[in-house]
Amino acid sequence: TQLLEQSPQFLSIQEGENLTVYCNSSSVFSSLQWYRQEPGEGPVLLVTVVTGGEVKKLKRLTFQFGDARKDSSLHITAAQPGDTGLYLCAGEPAGGTSYGKLTFGQGTILTVHP
Amino acid sequence: DAGITQSPRYKITETGRQVTLMCHQTWSHSYMFWYRQDLGHGLRLIYYSAAADITDKGEVPDGYVVSRSKTENFPLTLESATRSQTSVYFCASRTASLNTIYFGEGSWLTVV
Repeated sequence: TQLLEQSPQFLSIQEGENLTVYCNSSSVFSSLQWYRQEPGEGPVLLVTVVTGGEVKKLKRLTFQFGDARKDSSLHITAAQPGDTGLYLCAGEPAGGTSYGKLTFGQGTILTVHP
Repeated sequence: DAGITQSPRYKITETGRQVTLMCHQTWSHSYMFWYRQDLGHGLRLIYYSAAADITDKGEVPDGYVVSRSKTENFPLTLESATRSQTSVYFCASRTASLNTIYFGEGSWLTVV
């Protein structure tokens, strides 16, 4: 079983601060995805990274895939209360046929205070 | 665009009872999945299906049964519910060619 260690598990910050969430593994992934989940809803895909070293930006969110495709990070600049939610990383195992199965990290609960 | 729907959204049942959670998607996606979400564990895969009549176990399959007689439906059955199966259950689907997974809104199950 390929594991994804996500940290920190909880993050409580003030509006305007920057933050980074990490997702690490000893295994290689063909792609890594980041999801955001709000209470009472299912996760919603934010971004998919597939190439080692790839950086993608989504407004104030910056996603990076590690060169070896074993880790990823999510950086939020000038966090806003609307960024509050559960952030999940998920990886699709490299090699073979995964049938789209994803391995999820434990999640990071982000709270941004006004 | 109905997407992917789950029912029931909320269910309380007693230990030992059989419970079926329904999942229906309108996109004709090949792949469908059942995950359970528990605090501290993220999402864990219970079962998945690559197509109608093709299913296989995920990470935590014990105590669960699935079937997929039609592409659009993927029900999950708890044969004899236990308290450890109290959780939020998410159904998901994706196409074979794209790696975007779409999740349902979840089914909250409490076993008392």
